[in-house]
Amino acid sequence: QVQLQESGPGLVKPSGTLSLTCAVSGGSISTTNWWSWVRQPPGKGLEWIGEIYQSGSTNYNPSLKSRVTISVDKSKNQFSLNLISVTAADTAIYYCARDAIAVAGSYSDYWGQGTLVAVSS
Amino acid sequence: EIVMTQSPATLSVSPGETATLSCRASQSVSSSLAWYQQKPGQAPRLLIYGASTRATGIPARFRGSGSGTEFTLTISGLQSEDFAVYYCQQYNNWPRTFGQGTKVEIK
Repeated sequence: QVQLQESGPGLVKPSGTLSLTCAVSGGSISTTNWWSWVRQPPGKGLEWIGEIYQSGSTNYNPSLKSRVTISVDKSKNQFSLNLISVTAADTAIYYCARDAIAVAGSYSDYWGQGTLVAVSS
Repeated sequence: EIVMTQSPATLSVSPGETATLSCRASQSVSSSLAWYQQKPGQAPRLLIYGASTRATGIPARFRGSGSGTEFTLTISGLQSEDFAVYYCQQYNNWPRTFGQGTKVEIK
């Protein structure tokens, strides 16, 4: 069974860069799946950040596109999220997920446990 | 961006009863609609994809229906472990978008 585990700093300073990694186990990242990031501010709903395919092809949420980069490292079986110029509004639980490809689009069938990242000085 | 609107925001239901949750899309998403369940302190869990297909291991009391812009998640015979927040998500267009969630609480 596929498992995903997020890792990275739990505290980032304002205007800094948020960097997270999602390690994939129990399966290869080089499969016919997309790999995505979703975040959830404390007590609020879910926001899709973006996704990456093993080839490196990406799709991003336009609301974050100017600040976000998602990359994949097939040799380490992991993918990463970089979010620059962070503010307090970026404080959230960040989830990584595996997306199953459907007839149209893809949905998240496996999720990491999530990691809380706070933006504060 | 497609806006997903869920109703009601909170649903109070007694154990054993049926809960009916609604999700509306601002434009057609065909059947590219998923439902997730989230309990406090946990990651979302996939329940339904393709508007009506249950994910692996999901009990038959969870039923999804609808297409286009109107979708419904029906939970029959609510059990204690079903009290949670439920989100719909469209994946027909980018960016993928979620509804704001419906909290199913014990009446």
